[in-house]
Amino acid sequence: DTGVSQNPRHKITKRGQNVTFRCDPISEHNRLYWYRQTLGQGPEFLTYFQNEAQLEKSRLLSDRFSAERPKGSFSTLEIQRTEQGDSAMYLCASSPFLGQAATGELFFGEGSRLTVL
Amino acid sequence: EDQVTQSPEALRLQEGESSSLNCSYTVSGLRGLFWYRQDPGKGPEFLFTLYSAGEEKEKERLKATLTKKESFLHITAPKPEDSATYLCAAMDTGRRALTFGSGTRLQVQP
Repeated sequence: DTGVSQNPRHKITKRGQNVTFRCDPISEHNRLYWYRQTLGQGPEFLTYFQNEAQLEKSRLLSDRFSAERPKGSFSTLEIQRTEQGDSAMYLCASSPFLGQAATGELFFGEGSRLTVL
Repeated sequence: EDQVTQSPEALRLQEGESSSLNCSYTVSGLRGLFWYRQDPGKGPEFLFTLYSAGEEKEKERLKATLTKKESFLHITAPKPEDSATYLCAAMDTGRRALTFGSGTRLQVQP
């Protein structure tokens, strides 16, 4: 399977616990994105990497959220001290680097669903 | 702030009944306008990119068009397998992030 892989697919946790999600992008893709989606809404941008550099973060991203992409390969998204409002689907997407081209053709994974009790 | 609004929120069609979905956007400069399809429990799947007003793209029963303030996704003679949520997204110049609308949930009944 050469698509974007996300793990775990489902996570149930208690309020106050830390959780970590992993994303393995398509191997030749330089760009990696994290989005969050709640029921009935479109995906909301969280952060973006080009190779290992985190180039953009949403202003809405709480300091409880941190993302890394060591060596420009897989990425992790950690949420510390989870709150019930963090319950959502966390989507990872990747795309190839095409210079300055406006490639909005993102390849999404199937997401990691977080439920905070 | 970038904003994308889609209408209607939900649409129910009979098989073969053509219709259009609307996406209005507000960005300081449009780098691109994108349409995605999302099935329940899945990540969005890319459909089209539109770059400038007047541009059109087609794929099977779907055709996307773009004006300076709106985009339309026209569905001709839909089939039940076209049932999904259709998402519109805009990319502002100077950014690489997409701003998505809330989507239109399309149901096509046989």
